[in-house]
Amino acid sequence: GAVVSQHPSWVICKSGTSVKIECRSLDFQATTMFWYRQFPKQSLMLMATSNEGSKATYEQGVEKDKFLINHASLTLSTLTVTSAHPEDSSFYICSATWTGINQPQHFGDGTRLSIL
Amino acid sequence: AQSVTQLGSHVSVSEGALVLLRCNYSSSVPPYLFWYVQYPNQGLQLLLKYTTGATLVKGINGFEAEFKKSETSFHLTKPSAHMSDAAEYFCAVSDTGNQFYFGTGTSLTVIP
Repeated sequence: GAVVSQHPSWVICKSGTSVKIECRSLDFQATTMFWYRQFPKQSLMLMATSNEGSKATYEQGVEKDKFLINHASLTLSTLTVTSAHPEDSSFYICSATWTGINQPQHFGDGTRLSIL
Repeated sequence: AQSVTQLGSHVSVSEGALVLLRCNYSSSVPPYLFWYVQYPNQGLQLLLKYTTGATLVKGINGFEAEFKKSETSFHLTKPSAHMSDAAEYFCAVSDTGNQFYFGTGTSLTVIP
């Protein structure tokens, strides 16, 4: 089946650091990738949608300059949390899909980000 | 606009008992429906999906769901719960595009 790899799985860093999270589709070409944020015991909150070669579309309330998304190839998207602060601590999950009506999204295993 | 409601944020069942997780949706177009499972500190894994055709959909791990248009429901069931089924379950609806709308999730506890 379709496999999405997300790295790193857990990162702890100091406030003010920028952190990059990678999302790779291992056995398919991901025309669209999604980035979600999940707070404890809550559902997924869509942050942005990115199509390969295009600028990401951010959801309302998500700071573009804070959460930089790059989808440079059909197998890789990155989320960079710039100048991270404790309030950015969360579980970040990516998903990927390919062109076609109602293809399911395939999720990475998530990245737990802890900002000290 | 699409939306999903999952009734019951927590469900507890005994091992071997029936599992029923409820999902109701609203959609302005024919919906495409999905159930995902999330284990602690992991991403989401697709359990099953309904797009067109047979309204009773069978998924992995013995789960199935039935699309009932008249009730705007897509409840998830499993005849006999196993300890390994304990997890968070999310229902999602999609329109004809790639946009997904997730429910708030139901945490399933299986009591030995």
